[in-house]
Amino acid sequence: EAGVAQSPRYKIIEKRQSVAFWCNPISGHATLYWYQQILGQGPKLLIQFQNNGVVDDSQLPKDRFSAERLKGVDSTLKIQPAKLEDSAVYLCASSLVQGIADEKLFFGSGTQLSVL
Amino acid sequence: DAKTTQPPSMDCAEGRAANLPCNHSTISGNEYVYWYRQIHSQGPQYIIHGLKNNETNEMASLIITEDRKSSTLILPHATLRDTAVYYCIVRAYGGNKLVFGAGTILRVKS
Repeated sequence: EAGVAQSPRYKIIEKRQSVAFWCNPISGHATLYWYQQILGQGPKLLIQFQNNGVVDDSQLPKDRFSAERLKGVDSTLKIQPAKLEDSAVYLCASSLVQGIADEKLFFGSGTQLSVL
Repeated sequence: DAKTTQPPSMDCAEGRAANLPCNHSTISGNEYVYWYRQIHSQGPQYIIHGLKNNETNEMASLIITEDRKSSTLILPHATLRDTAVYYCIVRAYGGNKLVFGAGTILRVKS
């Protein structure tokens, strides 16, 4: 079974530039998550999709971050314009069914973003 | 969701059991305990979860105290590949967010 695919693996940009990350979840997984992980910290949830609808985006900085999952499958996360404090690893995760006790999240390897 | 407390780091000798503690003294009756781990340069990986009974799978065992205020993840025969950050998380059944703390860095040494 293929895992969660993310690209690019690394990205270096200058502040005020824009950047986009792509995620393809495990086939058949209805729920998709984007997490931000700053060095030395645990991952922090940015946004959660159920199919192509947003379930939780309470911690997404909406003035600069946006995300979409148009056909309920793959997803993109965009930052425009980037700030120095956005330097982090952006992790995508998916799960088969959301909200059950046995829900297991499967994570991709992430995109490491450096903002200079 | 209840918060958890874990030691920042632990060492374990290769081949020995690794016992990782987690305190969740404010856990509610409908909250489960989940464990994930994150190996360097990878995303977190699900290990195990439980409500009040002890659980075991091919990766680990989870021991939850009777009052459910703490738990221990046991890796029975740690290998160098088990070196990782281990996260203990509590989440309500049907809860949305999986909230990660700082976790415990486990270093397995030969």
